[in-house]
Amino acid sequence: NAGVMQNPRHLVRRRGQEARLRCSPMKGHSHVYWYRQLPEEGLKFMVYLQKENIIDESGMPKERFSAEFPKEGPSILRIQQVVRGDSAAYFCASSPPKGSTEAFFGQGTRLTVV
Amino acid sequence: QKEVEQNSGPLSVPEGAIASLNCTYSDRVSQSFFWYRQYSGKSPELIMSIYSNGDKEDGRFTAQLNKASQYVSLLIRDSQPSDSATYLCAVPANAGGTSYGKLTFGQGTILTVHP
Repeated sequence: NAGVMQNPRHLVRRRGQEARLRCSPMKGHSHVYWYRQLPEEGLKFMVYLQKENIIDESGMPKERFSAEFPKEGPSILRIQQVVRGDSAAYFCASSPPKGSTEAFFGQGTRLTVV
Repeated sequence: QKEVEQNSGPLSVPEGAIASLNCTYSDRVSQSFFWYRQYSGKSPELIMSIYSNGDKEDGRFTAQLNKASQYVSLLIRDSQPSDSATYLCAVPANAGGTSYGKLTFGQGTILTVHP
């Protein structure tokens, strides 16, 4: 859905560098979700955020990964010291506040670690 | 048992035929079910939502839900080559009895519609 904006669309990082992925939800949406799609694998939930709060991070790897959704600005998924296994498509989705479970996805960021 | 299961396919149907995609889920209290379409290299696109037992029709798409059997399906009538994509079944997590937009996806079924 064009309403959820992610950037960059493609990101190349060398092993050991940091990757920052940005997501602006659809207008009126206050819930943001990050998903990862590894090559030949399904979409896996990573983290659910609302403004200034991490609601559910049960899908986040224990190390090197963090996410935030500040009061102002986009949500950020940060991957420190990237490794080749982090190469994947990272999708952000957003949904309206309260009671709705329909989530709409952005175009994704394709991270390649070389 | 996986939480959401789909036949990975590939499913190949001729143009104009009905494509039938199936999904089973393990959480008996699930209330919402979604079908997403994902073209190769693109993001998932929500195409159908269904919340009640029975059928829901939207254009050439019909979603069917049977909560007793924990089964949801998607029928695509008059299939077109442009329908060739991966179709993902998704079920929201149920946290404390309240569903929210954290989704569990099936592995997806690859559909190919050949002319």
